[in-house]
Amino acid sequence: QKEVEQDPGPLSVPEGAIVSLNCTYSNSAFQYFMWYRQYSRKGPELLMYTYSSGNKEDGRFTAQVDKSSKYISLFIRDSQPSDSATYLCAMSASYGKLTFGQGTILTVHP
Amino acid sequence: DSGVTQTPKHLITATGQRVTLRCSPRSGDLSVYWYQQSLDQGLQFLIQYYNGEERAKGNILERFSAQQFPDLHSELNLSSLELGDSALYFCASSVVSGVGGFNTQYFGPGTRLTVL
Repeated sequence: QKEVEQDPGPLSVPEGAIVSLNCTYSNSAFQYFMWYRQYSRKGPELLMYTYSSGNKEDGRFTAQVDKSSKYISLFIRDSQPSDSATYLCAMSASYGKLTFGQGTILTVHP
Repeated sequence: DSGVTQTPKHLITATGQRVTLRCSPRSGDLSVYWYQQSLDQGLQFLIQYYNGEERAKGNILERFSAQQFPDLHSELNLSSLELGDSALYFCASSVVSGVGGFNTQYFGPGTRLTVL
């Protein structure tokens, strides 16, 4: 079993929809939780990070971490076609090595 | 553009061969990380260097090796290549080692390796 599980999708939603992306993990030592976005043929870029449990909001994006359930989420409000990409959750125990989920392919259609 | 550069962009080679992938970190970044991305395994951490010293090791095969030079650029050497080594190889860099705090890892555009 992988340390980090993420549904690869694909996920297809209409423009303006709220998107929910999730990951579960098994390693209790993880403290840093990140979401990366990867466009086709590009390297991943950091969207948001959270330390330990809690919520964090940045514009249309909200990240949630529930360490008791070992579950993290990313919500995208008012989704746009430009949000179409692969979203990767990533985690770290003592920041350095990142453990990634498989990635969820998201398509937002006009 | 993350500021991390990787060369070459594409590499096609045969089984049994040896290749070298190069990474230049962002200006001022001391840490370099190497990751492998394949369809079946996803994005996996290989190795980290900090200011020339190996700092952390992941699931890196013995046929693979890396180093970081005094000018902070890094090279990933892959030898005795097998079909299964075909993947995207990413380099990332961050300001410090990362221990004790959060530092963003900035990823390069990757090198696509195809082993025939």
